[in-house]
Amino acid sequence: EIVLTQSPATLSLSPGVRATLSCRASQSVSSDLAWYQQKPGQAPRLLIYDANNRVTDIPARFRGSGSGTDFTLTISSLEPEDFAVYYCQQRSNWPLTFGGGTKVEIK
Amino acid sequence: QVQLQESGPGLVKPSETLSLTCTVSGGSITYYYWTWIRQPPGKGLEWIGYVSYSGSTSYNPSLKSRLTISPDTSKNQFSLRLSSVTAADTAVYYCARVSTYYFDLWGRGTLVTVSS
Repeated sequence: EIVLTQSPATLSLSPGVRATLSCRASQSVSSDLAWYQQKPGQAPRLLIYDANNRVTDIPARFRGSGSGTDFTLTISSLEPEDFAVYYCQQRSNWPLTFGGGTKVEIK
Repeated sequence: QVQLQESGPGLVKPSETLSLTCTVSGGSITYYYWTWIRQPPGKGLEWIGYVSYSGSTSYNPSLKSRLTISPDTSKNQFSLRLSSVTAADTAVYYCARVSTYYFDLWGRGTLVTVSS
């Protein structure tokens, strides 16, 4: 099973600043990685797939990058609605697995 | 647009079987794979397994011995059965659509508590 490790666990930032979230895989997943956003009481929402492709209607301030074992989700300028928990997920190997999440909270 | 809605008991006794149904509206289940994902309170996400309209499945090995996911094309639904539950199975259970093995549409989720 591929383990995805997300860091940091919590990111305390102010609106308007850049957020950088990391996801590291225990073995290469090529570019088979997605990012999800989850707000309290809501289901997760797919943001990025295949490491760097934004889903339709996801704002351009969300950018995914990386390949192999190291991936990054960058939010260029945090909006109030971006404060949430973010998960990465790999589809390279079975079982499909998620990272433990990074909470982006308001500083 | 396509929407998913989970339904089923919110409380299950230990050692019994958890049963949930996901109703898909606005589109047919004969396209895509369909999946269940769970999230224990305050914790992360765990993929449970998926099913196609024809009944082909893939399960998480950690749950496989207790798990059945099956489609009902006549009702445009798919279901989850998890046997011999314990408190560790307490979670919000989500159904979702699988698109190239990512999860692009989700239901709102339903909390299932395992307790006597």
